[in-house]
Amino acid sequence: GQNIDQPTEMTATEGAIVQINCTYQTSGFNGLFWYQQHAGEAPTFLSYNVLDGLEEKGRFSSFLSRSKGYSYLLLKELQMKDSASYLCAPMDSNYQLIWGAGTKLIIKP
Amino acid sequence: ETGVTQSPTHLIKTRGQQVTLRCSSQSGHNTVSWYQQALGQGPQFIFQYYREEENGRGNFPPRFSGLQFPNYSSELNVNALELDDSALYLCASSLQGGDTQYFGPGTRLTVL
Repeated sequence: GQNIDQPTEMTATEGAIVQINCTYQTSGFNGLFWYQQHAGEAPTFLSYNVLDGLEEKGRFSSFLSRSKGYSYLLLKELQMKDSASYLCAPMDSNYQLIWGAGTKLIIKP
Repeated sequence: ETGVTQSPTHLIKTRGQQVTLRCSSQSGHNTVSWYQQALGQGPQFIFQYYREEENGRGNFPPRFSGLQFPNYSSELNVNALELDDSALYLCASSLQGGDTQYFGPGTRLTVL
């Protein structure tokens, strides 16, 4: 079957760094997406990885290891506005996104 | 702003009624995907439309149906509403299947 595993909730301090891990099992693989979702709002696109390695985009970086079925999202210089859920979504062989429940990130002052 | 719009924003219906939700995709995007998201859960894939044809369907009963128009806007229809249909309904458009999906603001459906 297809499966996504992320921590349910994480807490971090403003200004710090946090890493959100994601392991996945899918039928085929066509890349992995990370989305941010604030409470009551729609998901917004953060990053896309299709090859192994690190993709950096400002304060956010995303890493992929296809052989391990593993990805992480790294958030640096945390700000209060980063409090949100972070959704890891690999794309399967049918080009459909597979979603987990996401990780709720709480930022404390 | 993603350029994807949805209407209505909120909707309240009673059990057994029917509902139509609408989505306008981002300019140039020919693929629309629909998702249902219950509180505290990730989005659940309902179906996807590519150039007016259904291009994949999730594990939803036939009372969930859809349509895509020549301008690539789309509708989601749900018949015989049940209490468990209460959720946030999201549509996402992409340039084509496999590309990054950009979400609209969603429609919050409450079934009483």
